[in-house]
Amino acid sequence: DQQVKQNSPSLSVQEGRISILNCDYTNSMFDYFLWYKKYPAEGPTFLISISSIKDKNEDGRFTVFLNKSAKHLSLHIVPSQPGDSAVYFCAATSRSTGANNLFFGTGTRLTVIP
Amino acid sequence: DTEVTQTPKHLVMGMTNKKSLKCEQHMGHRAMYWYKQKAKKPPELMFVYSYEKLSINESVPSRFSPECPNSSLLNLHLHALQPEDSALYLCASSQDPASYEQYFGPGTRLTVT
Repeated sequence: DQQVKQNSPSLSVQEGRISILNCDYTNSMFDYFLWYKKYPAEGPTFLISISSIKDKNEDGRFTVFLNKSAKHLSLHIVPSQPGDSAVYFCAATSRSTGANNLFFGTGTRLTVIP
Repeated sequence: DTEVTQTPKHLVMGMTNKKSLKCEQHMGHRAMYWYKQKAKKPPELMFVYSYEKLSINESVPSRFSPECPNSSLLNLHLHALQPEDSALYLCASSQDPASYEQYFGPGTRLTVT
């Protein structure tokens, strides 16, 4: 049973506009969330994370929002650039399940159109 | 050095072969992981090594045998695999077992014929 879900397999956005990638989870014990970016033929690269004690974390063009009551998080990329085109994975974990046991979503392929 | 390296990049093996996948990191990380990723699926955790000791084995069949010779190296020994074991095998490391952020290698694409 998939505990972390990314319901949009793909997303296309014009360069300079905002990209919003969504992620839902079912396990209320998750207390830490991460976003990874993956280019073809490369491993996932850590992008940004958020603890459940926060509802927002920002790093440059990337912002992650967490809505614990809805068990939903989103990644905003502003402005989107062609180099952002990749597959984005959401992941979740908790101290109770073992901090190093990451549960991944199935990924969203982002295409930024120049 | 902020890189996790994996060799080989690609591997084709028969069901009776014995082969090994290798992973290396020089970031001083004390936790290392093996994941398996099938096409269009998320990575799934196989094994976790904490301070060179196996701490998690996610019910992986014994035809997969991990080994951590030292804090920088992680091997995955393969024997008598099945075609359904064909997948991308990812290695990752984190600063310690309590660290959330994991750093991934590029993976080994394994095909079992």
